[in-house]
Amino acid sequence: DVKVTQSSRYLVKRTGEKVFLECVQDMDHENMFWYRQDPGLGLRLIYFSYDVKMKEKGDIPEGYSVSREKKERFSLILESASTNQTSMYLCASSSPSGAPSYEQYFGPGTRLTVT
Amino acid sequence: GEDVEQSLFLSVREGDSSVINCTYTDSSSTYLYWYKQEPGAGLQLLTYIFSNMDMKQDQRLTVLLNKKDKHLSLRIADTQTGDSAIYFCAESIQGGKLIFGQGTELSVKP
Repeated sequence: DVKVTQSSRYLVKRTGEKVFLECVQDMDHENMFWYRQDPGLGLRLIYFSYDVKMKEKGDIPEGYSVSREKKERFSLILESASTNQTSMYLCASSSPSGAPSYEQYFGPGTRLTVT
Repeated sequence: GEDVEQSLFLSVREGDSSVINCTYTDSSSTYLYWYKQEPGAGLQLLTYIFSNMDMKQDQRLTVLLNKKDKHLSLRIADTQTGDSAIYFCAESIQGGKLIFGQGTELSVKP
C-alpha cells in the first residue's frame, strides 16, 4: 500500500521560530510537492522537487525553503515563522510512470499554528 | 496563467444525486482529476479522465468533460452521508504539476 507520511499532524510554534516539516514517501517517486491549504483558496503550491537536491519554486515560495537530500524525503522549512503561515500543510509525491501519469499521493497533512 | 474554478459549497439530501462543477483554463491538460478530502485527512484520488474522453463512469461516479467549454463535472449518484467531504478538481500541466480548484464542500443531509 502506497504511503506518504508527515512528521506531525498538529504543530504549535511561536512567531520567529524556525520550523521543520518532514515528509517521507515509500513509493520511490521522483516528484515531491509541498502545498498549503487555506479555506476558500484550495491548494497552493509552495515548492516542488523533481529529483534529489533539485527544487523549484511554486506559486507562493516566500518565507519558505526546502531540502531534498534523499529521494524519499522532502523537508519544508519556515525560516522565521509568522502568524500568516498558520495553515494546513500537505505533502504529495508522484511519478511520470504512474497510471494515471503524475497522480499525486498525499500525506495526511500538518496543521501548523503560529502564535 | 492556469486557473481552476469551483463553487465552494453544495448541499444535498441523502439519496439524491450530487453534481460538482469545475472550469479550467489549460486546454493542453492530459488528465483531469477529482480528489476527495475527508475531515482531518489528506487528499485521495477519487477518479480521473483522460483529456480525449467525454465521459467516464465508475460505479456511483460519472465524470463528464466538455473540452470546448473547458468544463468538468462529477456526478455522485445516490449520495450518502459518507460522501460528505471536500472535492477538488485538478488539471495536469507541464512538468507533472497539478493545478487545484478551491474545493467544493459537499454536505449530505439525512
